[in-house]
Amino acid sequence: SYEVTQPLSVSVALGQTARITCGGNNIGSKNVHWYQQKPGQAPVLVIFRDINRPSGVPERFSGSNSGNTATLTISRAQRGDEAEYYCQVWDSTTVFGGGTKLTVL
Amino acid sequence: EVQLVQSGAEVKKPGESLKISCKASGYSITSYWIGWVRQMPGKGLEWMGMIYPGDSKTIYSPSFQGHVTISADDSISTAYLQWSSLKASDTAMYYCARPYYYDGSGQYYFDYWGQGTPVTVSS
Repeated sequence: SYEVTQPLSVSVALGQTARITCGGNNIGSKNVHWYQQKPGQAPVLVIFRDINRPSGVPERFSGSNSGNTATLTISRAQRGDEAEYYCQVWDSTTVFGGGTKLTVL
Repeated sequence: EVQLVQSGAEVKKPGESLKISCKASGYSITSYWIGWVRQMPGKGLEWMGMIYPGDSKTIYSPSFQGHVTISADDSISTAYLQWSSLKASDTAMYYCARPYYYDGSGQYYFDYWGQGTPVTVSS
């Protein structure tokens, strides 16, 4: 079965750029979707089909996907961006990454 | 406005049965699949399976096939997740979510999520 790998944690200074990766074999050939989950809350879609932002998601959130790595980029990171982030792909079934905890210092 | 509203917290004993619900509003439940996602304490998201209420077709993750049953009642726009005999390892938060299919290859993302139903199984 297809597997995707995320770093357990990423730290970023307030106002700087955070990059969260999602690795998988030739993941660039697949569509990757990203969810943000804050403590005690349900996940929220922040990027779909690699690069698209749902309505209401700040422009500071962007995505890319190429080769063996998809990346969620959060520009001008804010304390409110602190959350767990999950990537999701479809490969005959739905696969979630293990999640990355983003800390804004 | 699309909403998925789940039933409340449950505390059960091992061996007991349970059925939790997810009520959809703001769209036609018979036109979209509804999926279920498990999140064990302190862990990540796991896709369990989903149902198309329009014809009750279901798809299960191999990891959950045979352990849970997904059903729906389109007359009340509600999907269900049930267990016939709970185990302590079923303790988790369970989310329903709506898969949005965007092409003909079967690919989707979850565009709306319920608030979650915490299930605790303990003797």
